[in-house]
Amino acid sequence: GDSVTQMEGPVTLSEEAFLTINCTYTATGYPSLFWYVQYPGEGLQLLLKATKADDKGSNKGFEATYRKETTSFHLEKGSVQVSDSAVYFCALSLRTGNQFYFGTGTSLTVIP
Amino acid sequence: NAGVTQTPKFQVLKTGQSMTLQCAQDMNHEYMSWYRQDPGMGLRLIHYSVGAGITDQGEVPNGYNVSRSTTEDFPLRLLSAAPSQTSVYFCASSTRGAVTEAFFGQGTRLTVV
Repeated sequence: GDSVTQMEGPVTLSEEAFLTINCTYTATGYPSLFWYVQYPGEGLQLLLKATKADDKGSNKGFEATYRKETTSFHLEKGSVQVSDSAVYFCALSLRTGNQFYFGTGTSLTVIP
Repeated sequence: NAGVTQTPKFQVLKTGQSMTLQCAQDMNHEYMSWYRQDPGMGLRLIHYSVGAGITDQGEVPNGYNVSRSTTEDFPLRLLSAAPSQTSVYFCASSTRGAVTEAFFGQGTRLTVV
């Protein structure tokens, strides 16, 4: 079935460190891929998305590239800040419907 | 812009009680969904709706009912609450098509004792 697998957390980094959160997916057809971020006590917000192979989504210094050959959509940021501390969810949406499939979330804590 | 509004934000229920979690969106989105978020399990789909008058079950529908009488509202009903339903509940809405994002409410933290 359709699913998303993302890196287990929690992840703790020092400020200005490089961040990678791995995400791989299984899907029938050609899904759209998303990264959502959840700050403490809040709902999920879209961070970035990519809708076809080789697309790169980017926002707030975060990037992710849709890799069809490896069925991956890894999230990266070159220099994290304390304000990036949150839970990050990888998700996919199928073109045949509007259901979203989420990964389990990766908690990131950035320390000064 | 209100977006997706959920009420209440917090709720404590006793086992066997019933309640309705409210969700309203003002973006004229066709699709609305309810998810529950549990530690280590991400978000799991409970029920969803593709338009007024149409609902369907998601991954974990047992113990929950929904209805969609208007485009704007999609309430989630717990008929007889159980401790296993202690969770954070999120409502989401989106337009037709897989390339569009889902917009989420702020969540309802429910505790069943």
